[in-house]
Amino acid sequence: EADIYQTPRYLVIGTGKKITLECSQTMGHDKMYWYQQDPGMELHLIHYSYGVNSTEKGDLSSESTVSRIRTEHFPLTLESARPSHTSQYLCASSVAGEGAVSGANVLTFGAGSRLTVL
Amino acid sequence: KNQVEQSPQSLIILEGKNCTLQCNYTVSPFSNLRWYKQDTGRGPVSLTIMTFSENTKSNGRYTATLDADTKQSSLHITASQLSDSASYICVVSDRGSTLGRLYFGRGTQLTVWP
Repeated sequence: EADIYQTPRYLVIGTGKKITLECSQTMGHDKMYWYQQDPGMELHLIHYSYGVNSTEKGDLSSESTVSRIRTEHFPLTLESARPSHTSQYLCASSVAGEGAVSGANVLTFGAGSRLTVL
Repeated sequence: KNQVEQSPQSLIILEGKNCTLQCNYTVSPFSNLRWYKQDTGRGPVSLTIMTFSENTKSNGRYTATLDADTKQSSLHITASQLSDSASYICVVSDRGSTLGRLYFGRGTQLTVWP
């Protein structure tokens, strides 16, 4: 079944640790995104990718980095986690293309990774 | 400034009742408006997407309306069920770029009581 998967779902780590949040999709979507969401707040785009070897920073400044070596895989890495990084991280993907009528950019989200840094 | 405002922030209703959630936006130029449902601890799931020319769109017990002149949208839920308890997020896309930048509201937290 075509879907988008995130691991781990929950992660509690100490300050200074390096972490990687995994995101994989089986829908063949070209565009992938990482959003950060805090309770009661809107989603903020932190990274996106148009395709393999393409990565861009989003609207919200983030100390995390991403890579896109394969179409289906879009991992997010924090080299040295801090308590301020505690948040929910949502991965999403969409088909490439322009225009609202085609339905382009309708996002399919993963279940999220909730990160807690102590 | 492009913004999306949702009201109410939270809502409690009894099972079987109807409710309406509101979304006002200032995004311009407008491309489309989507409603997402986000269950606790899960990612958002798309309910409807509406373009400029669409006034109403239904998805089962969910009916979304759009007034592009007043820049308002509503999501009406009929005969609510316990499983409708979730956050409902309004998302507006502009036509300013190929990517179609998305503006997210903070969501309305709906709780349905038995």
